[in-house]
Amino acid sequence: DTGVSQDPRHKITKRGQNVTFRCDPISEHNRLYWYRQTLGQGPEFLTYFQNEAQLEKSRLLSDRFSAERPKGSFSTLEIQRTEQGDSAMYLCASRLDRGDEKLFFGSGTQLSVL
Amino acid sequence: GESVGLHLPTLSVQEGDNSIINCAYSNSASDYFIWYKQESGKGPQFIIDIRSNMDKRQGQRVTVLLNKTVKHLSLQIAATQPGDSAVYFCGFNQAGTALIFGKGTTLSVSS
Repeated sequence: DTGVSQDPRHKITKRGQNVTFRCDPISEHNRLYWYRQTLGQGPEFLTYFQNEAQLEKSRLLSDRFSAERPKGSFSTLEIQRTEQGDSAMYLCASRLDRGDEKLFFGSGTQLSVL
Repeated sequence: GESVGLHLPTLSVQEGDNSIINCAYSNSASDYFIWYKQESGKGPQFIIDIRSNMDKRQGQRVTVLLNKTVKHLSLQIAATQPGDSAVYFCGFNQAGTALIFGKGTTLSVSS
């Protein structure tokens, strides 16, 4: 257990529905990252926050995706009007913004869009 | 563009053998490299990292080698055990950007 918690672990939804995932990072970590991983692939970067500020977003992140970190602690990732291509593992990771650069990953949320 | 790749998608070894997992990267400006292990149904777990001012770093049963001349990174696992069976990812970043990962090598250890 890395100390990064994600909820839910699994989500099954129908195409067109909205879903929201939550990530609780390690408490003293001010950087929080979202990645997406499909079967057989490495994690693909989506976006990251430093405290409550969203500092970078990948071109992969369509306008149906939105992420927030309102108080600089937990974060949510929302996908609107889900599509079957959104089916993937969504990983959250955290780290401090200085010193050691390694990321601590959560166990992920597995999304299946039917 | 930036990319991270691994030479082989799968690697099968016998218990007790040494394993070598390779990774090639394209961005010569990268200054930080990392290896993760991912077991089925779990998130990636940190193994070892190295900065570009080094060419070798050792951990417990693992060694990372960095060859900046040919942009190659490798992970060596000594005396491989069944518990080492997993998918291994290499990654890199540059100052101010997020880690970027390759596709992964699946290591299978038979006893």
